Amino acid sequence: GNSVTQMEGPVTLSEEAFLTINCTYTATGYPSLFWYVQYPGEGLQLLLKATKADDKGSNKGFEATYRKETTSFHLEKGSVQVSDSAVYFCALSASADRGSTLGRLYFGRGTQLTVWP
Amino acid sequence: NAGVMQNPRHLVRRRGQEARLRCSPMKGHSHVYWYRQLPEEGLKFMVYLQKENIIDESGMPKERFSAEFPKEGPSILRIQQVVRGDSAAYFCASSSQGAPNEQYFGPGTRLTVT
Repeated sequence: GNSVTQMEGPVTLSEEAFLTINCTYTATGYPSLFWYVQYPGEGLQLLLKATKADDKGSNKGFEATYRKETTSFHLEKGSVQVSDSAVYFCALSASADRGSTLGRLYFGRGTQLTVWP
Repeated sequence: NAGVMQNPRHLVRRRGQEARLRCSPMKGHSHVYWYRQLPEEGLKFMVYLQKENIIDESGMPKERFSAEFPKEGPSILRIQQVVRGDSAAYFCASSSQGAPNEQYFGPGTRLTVT
């Protein structure tokens, strides 16, 4: 089946530190992979995505590379800011060629990031 | 350009009452998805709807839960005879027909059952 395993938090960093949040997945076929961010009291916002192996998604200084050989999609940022404090979710969408319905997202449990000034 | 709207933002119900959660998709979007977030957990898929059609309801509990997306008006997630275990945040997302993987989320409805 399809599932996402995400590094447990909370993660606490000082401003300008390097961030890595690990994410691995299990899926049949060739899923699309996503990182979403949730700020307090708000819904999820799509941060970045990758739709095929070796693709790199990037946005707002965050990056993640779709690694099929290690079934991973780790989120990285070189220098975090206080405003990056939020919960980060890794997610996948199954590929349609395996009989799965497009659209359904499978989420990890989320990682709380707190950045101190 | 309004995003996905959900109301109410907070809903308190006593055990045994009914809860109705509403979701208006982004303008131009015809697909709606409902997810539930239990405390300390990630989001779990519940149901995927198009206008007047249920595409995938494999994540919906078999009893007490139903969803609709009528031709006119918002999508409704309905929970009958609520129990304490239904307390959660319920998120709605929408997408356009050609991009089901690009989902835009609403702010959620936080349901508390007392």
